[in-house]
Amino acid sequence: QSALTQPPSASGSPGQSVTISCTGTSSDYVSWFQQHPGKAPKLMISEVNERPSGVPDRFSGSKSGNTASLTVSGLQAEDEADYYCSSYGGNNNVLFGGGTKLTVL
Amino acid sequence: QMQLQESGPGLVKPSQTLSLTCTVSGGSISSSDYSWSWLRQLPGKGLEWIGYIFYSGSTSYHPSLRSRITISVDTSTNQFSLRLNSVTAADTAMYYCARDHYDFWSDSPAVAFDIWGQGTMVTVSS
Repeated sequence: QSALTQPPSASGSPGQSVTISCTGTSSDYVSWFQQHPGKAPKLMISEVNERPSGVPDRFSGSKSGNTASLTVSGLQAEDEADYYCSSYGGNNNVLFGGGTKLTVL
Repeated sequence: QMQLQESGPGLVKPSQTLSLTCTVSGGSISSSDYSWSWLRQLPGKGLEWIGYIFYSGSTSYHPSLRSRITISVDTSTNQFSLRLNSVTAADTAMYYCARDHYDFWSDSPAVAFDIWGQGTMVTVSS
């Protein structure tokens, strides 16, 4: 059982927006990772809403209370992947969510 | 551009020790800005953080794995390593090494794993 809770699946049509939630984040250190099949995860968002260089601005992050969210706007076919949230859990522990499979319809 | 590469046996027998090495290239492991982590992903499952180490040798481990893990660093070879003792089939997974940032001001890892190795699959089986 994951310490952070994500919905197992999400979907949207090309051009639409989709939001994935991550519950249980008590820290402002929250990151989101994209993982395509057979590939290593890729950092998409750090510190709740910071986008690393090279990540499209269609990806954005936010946090309210203990729930963080990743929003993908203007969905594209290549956005179809698994998405994981991660957060600092205190006492030098790192937590991950169970992952959300994003399907582009 | 920094790259990380995992290496080690792909098959380990039950009750034995899993040993993996991560080689850092294109930059120095001896930076106070970063920590160096091991993570794993069980087949068809999500990501799990195993532990991290600083170039100084200071470590932090996942609570549920702490009794079986040792992470070490060799700054002369720009490598860090994972040893997981007493493995079972439940330890069969893709193992990744990754770089994280550390916020010493707040004494907290940033969990911003920005550089990952390609991963190495380890199967525990007799």
